[in-house]
Amino acid sequence: DAKTTQPPSMDCAEGRAANLPCNHSTISGNEYVYWYRQIHSQGPQYIIHGLKNNETNEMASLIITEDRKSSTLILPHATLRDTAVYYCIVWYGGSQGNLIFGKGTKLSVKP
Amino acid sequence: DAGVTQSPTHLIKTRGQQVTLRCSPKSGHDTVSWYQQALGQGPQFIFQYYEEEERQRGNFPDRFSGHQFPNYSSELNVNALWLGDSALYLCASRRTGANYGYTFGSGTRLTVV
Repeated sequence: DAKTTQPPSMDCAEGRAANLPCNHSTISGNEYVYWYRQIHSQGPQYIIHGLKNNETNEMASLIITEDRKSSTLILPHATLRDTAVYYCIVWYGGSQGNLIFGKGTKLSVKP
Repeated sequence: DAGVTQSPTHLIKTRGQQVTLRCSPKSGHDTVSWYQQALGQGPQFIFQYYEEEERQRGNFPDRFSGHQFPNYSSELNVNALWLGDSALYLCASRRTGANYGYTFGSGTRLTVV
């Protein structure tokens, strides 16, 4: 079973920041937080991952709380093309385990 | 650099038939995992292959089997198809030991009638 909890849906206005929360209260010390998104009928796309520190790349920022029990994915300037299902996944990375998906958050970006 | 390639993209089969889906991993990747995604659900892990052996398996019956070849490509076989096997089948690959996660293909849409 997935070890994360996400809201089933969220709306965001185009051009505004989208903040997607995720709870992972049972995360282990060496598990990473990964975010993927899936645009309708395509394969999931990697967005970002982190262990303890906040991370930023060209797509998004990841904020992980100090106790690591929750995190927030930030899309700084959402566009209509960011409409997708966003999955938060905890995973050891490396050679252990696999990505276990929950139901994710359906983000709808509106004009 | 080609990503993960899956074939065919769409397939229609009749109940009771058998099907084989194919996956070529991203260049440099040696581990392949397969997922089943029913409509409106998140992807469900089927199994993972590394060094031509099944390494991990999700909660799927023995009707689901696979194979990995020396060039790291992989096949997913499903026997005795049920209507409930209708889904998007996703292949994902990664380089063992790397933390940057999996790369997914676009999937094969299987419809069982």
